[in-house]
Amino acid sequence: DARVTQTPRHKVTEMGQEVTMRCQPILGHNTVFWYRQTMMQGLELLAYFRNRAPLDDSGMPKDRFSAEMPDATLATLKIQPSEPRDSAVYFCASGLGDSQETQYFGPGTRLLVL
Amino acid sequence: ILNVEQSPQSLHVQEGDSTNFTCSFPSSNFYALHWYRWETAKSPEALFVMTLNGDEKKKGRISATLNTKEGYSYLYIKGSQPEDSATYLCAPLGGKLIFGQGTELSVKP
Repeated sequence: DARVTQTPRHKVTEMGQEVTMRCQPILGHNTVFWYRQTMMQGLELLAYFRNRAPLDDSGMPKDRFSAEMPDATLATLKIQPSEPRDSAVYFCASGLGDSQETQYFGPGTRLLVL
Repeated sequence: ILNVEQSPQSLHVQEGDSTNFTCSFPSSNFYALHWYRWETAKSPEALFVMTLNGDEKKKGRISATLNTKEGYSYLYIKGSQPEDSATYLCAPLGGKLIFGQGTELSVKP
């Protein structure tokens, strides 16, 4: 049963610390999306990769957030330095093709920055 | 940027009731519309991807229609069951995917 995996599932850290979240897309999927869920904004797109190349990261605060795909089986989202307002659930999703295709979501990483 | 509105924000129905909710979006610059089902403490699960005006899709008791000219999509649930309780998100694609705030459905046995 293929599924998107994310690690860690939960992370509690202190303000100023670096946070790295990892995502393993479904094998064979060539698009990867990072979303953030907050009470105020709902589900917002942070970044979008196709064939490991970043296509859109306009939703991501550039000064502290970075997203990469070191290889086809791993996507990372890094926050440095983290701030309390970054506390949210971060979802990764993968798919075939582009945004017109179904996206399969991972279980999310619940981040709390104290 | 697409402005997406979903209504109602929440809905409480009895088991067996049929229900429907609406997703409204600007009709210009439209490529596709996604519907997702999101249960509490789980991750969003894809229901439908719709691209053509007049599209109708069905999955079990759940169906959806799309009107791209007037900018809306309806999601219908026939004979609601408690396991249908979830938040239903729509996400039109116009450049990039923008999620609505969702309709939270609660089905009481």
